[in-house]
Amino acid sequence: DTGVSQNPRHKITKRGQNVTFRCDPISEHNRLYWYRQTLGQGPEFLTYFQNEAQLEKSRLLSDRFSAERPKGSFSTLEIQRTEQGDSAMYLCASSSFRRPEDTQYFGPGTRLTVL
Amino acid sequence: SQQGEEDPQALSIQEGENATMNCSYKTSINNLQWYRQNSGRGLVHLILIRSNEREKHSGRLRVTLDTSKKSSSLLITASRAADTASYFCATAGDQNNNDMRFGAGTRLTVKP
Repeated sequence: DTGVSQNPRHKITKRGQNVTFRCDPISEHNRLYWYRQTLGQGPEFLTYFQNEAQLEKSRLLSDRFSAERPKGSFSTLEIQRTEQGDSAMYLCASSSFRRPEDTQYFGPGTRLTVL
Repeated sequence: SQQGEEDPQALSIQEGENATMNCSYKTSINNLQWYRQNSGRGLVHLILIRSNEREKHSGRLRVTLDTSKKSSSLLITASRAADTASYFCATAGDQNNNDMRFGAGTRLTVKP
């Protein structure tokens, strides 16, 4: 169990550029979540996958955001035409339905700065 | 939107003292969880308490839940400098925890 990993850890981009983040969940976990966290706030739910199916999307996930989990393992989160308001920490978490509490295990996050 | 609200927003204590953080929420829940986050890092799960439980312990952590008041508290006993972090409560409406909602957190500083 190597934990949830996220890449890159930091990303600085100019407004209008596209960025893509990757999340590798714990290997046996079939559920994967994306959250966004701004300074001084708690994580806000963005979207959730069970295996490769995207089952829920927050209204925070505008048309510029897209997430995929093509083979039910790693996931990518893409932001198109970035805006300064997209600057935040993007957190990924995974969980397994086999655990009774379905605890979510979080990765270290990707910090995005949009200039 | 965020569900829980932690109180206080910031707490500063001396090593060895106890730290108490509170969380209030608005809607009915299946469970409530507490997480810890060191600066710039991901969240670490601390403890989960179900809606039919009133108190739970884990090491130096004690969590209470009062569903009639829609509130929970996290007590850290005999605090250490390494406990310095932000602490978040998260509520879930069902046992699958697919709809977890976090509060804004309490920033705890433990001075050596």
